[in-house]
This record gives sequence, structure tokens and C-alpha cells, in this order.
Amino acid sequence: DAGVIQSPRHEVTEMGQEVTLRCKPISGHDYLFWYRQTMMRGLELLIYFNNNVPIDDSGMPEDRFSAKMPNASFSTLKIQPSEPRDSAVYFCASSLSAGNEQYFGPGTRLTVT
Amino acid sequence: AQSVTQPDIHITVSEGASLELRCNYSYGATPYLFWYVQSPGQGLQLLLKYFSGDTLVQGIKGFEAEFKRSQSSFNLRKPSVHWSDAAEYFCAVVPMEYGNKLVFGAGTILRVKS
Repeated sequence: DAGVIQSPRHEVTEMGQEVTLRCKPISGHDYLFWYRQTMMRGLELLIYFNNNVPIDDSGMPEDRFSAKMPNASFSTLKIQPSEPRDSAVYFCASSLSAGNEQYFGPGTRLTVT
Repeated sequence: AQSVTQPDIHITVSEGASLELRCNYSYGATPYLFWYVQSPGQGLQLLLKYFSGDTLVQGIKGFEAEFKRSQSSFNLRKPSVHWSDAAEYFCAVVPMEYGNKLVFGAGTILRVKS
């Protein structure tokens, strides 16, 4: 298996622009997670899905952030409009079942100028 | 407050020396426990996990960890560190009361000197 795939690996955009991050989980995994990593706040869980359904989005910072999972093999995290404080590395992870280990993608490094 | 604590932000060890990275958690029930490693510019890789049973668990790359219920600890160890082990290490737990959420410690940066 190719593991969790994320695209793009790097994204540089201007403040106010829309940003879409993409994730393909490991085939057969029922859970998908989106995290944000910054120096100040470390790793934060933004949202997670079970069988394509959002279960907990309490970590989504504000309404500018949205996430979707239209099918079992694809998820997006969208920021609209983006702000410089959104600059971070965004990770997607998937797991086979509840409480099991999560497998992380390589991350998307987002820079908002 | 309920949390995962990694008390050491940075640790420097000589190549070939032993290593112990500390992790403590403060949750009521014993959570599922994990150690992940992150090399610069990379994602997180699972080193090992503990769900139940034998409290000494073996992982990849020669790492092991010991769960001590009385101390609410899950310390990571390696008998002989290699230069390639230089990375950031994260302890993480899935607290029973929080479903599937993985809660991470702040991480420990390991430097290896030759």
C-alpha cells in the first residue's frame, strides 16, 4: 500500500485566497483524521471522520475551515479565506478501527503571506 | 487537567549511549498508548503501541517502551542510539473517555552527538 497520500506537499498563497488540501487514506481504513502542527501549539486534531461521516469537528478553529469526505478514498480540508496565522503543516491520518494506531501522511506545508 | 506530558523538550545523547524518553499521562482509565517519531520535514511514523497485556512492548528500530500503571508512565527506551535516531519523538494516548481522539504530548527533540 502507498500509505496515506496528501497533496500538495507545499502550498504558498496570499492572504484571502482559498486553499484546498487533499488526502487519500489507506484503503480499508474507516477513520480519517486532519491535524495541524505549529511550533506554538504542537499537534492539534482538527476533525475526524468515521465511514465518511464527520464525528468530531470541535478542533476546527473557526468557520473559515471546512472538511469533507465525499467517499472512502478522498477527503479535503478547505480554508476560505486564508490568513497568515493559518500557516502550518497539515497532516492527514487514517486508522483501521476505533482507537487503533493512526498512519500519517507526509503533510502539507502551508504558507500564507 | 487531563493531558500527556513529555517533560524533556530537548535531549542530547552520544552515539552508542542508551536513551530514555519520558512520558506521563493523566487520564482516569488506562488509555491506549503510542510513541511516534518525526524526522525533519516528514510525517509521523509509529514506533510502538500498548493496548493491554505485557507491559514491556517492542517496536521498530530497536525501541521499546514500558507501561507503568502506578506511575501513569510510558517511557521509551533504546539501549544504543544511532545518529539516524535524531528526530522528534511524540508520546500519544487515546483516552478511553474521549473515543478515538489521539492526544499528543509536546514532543522531545533528540540530538545525537558523535
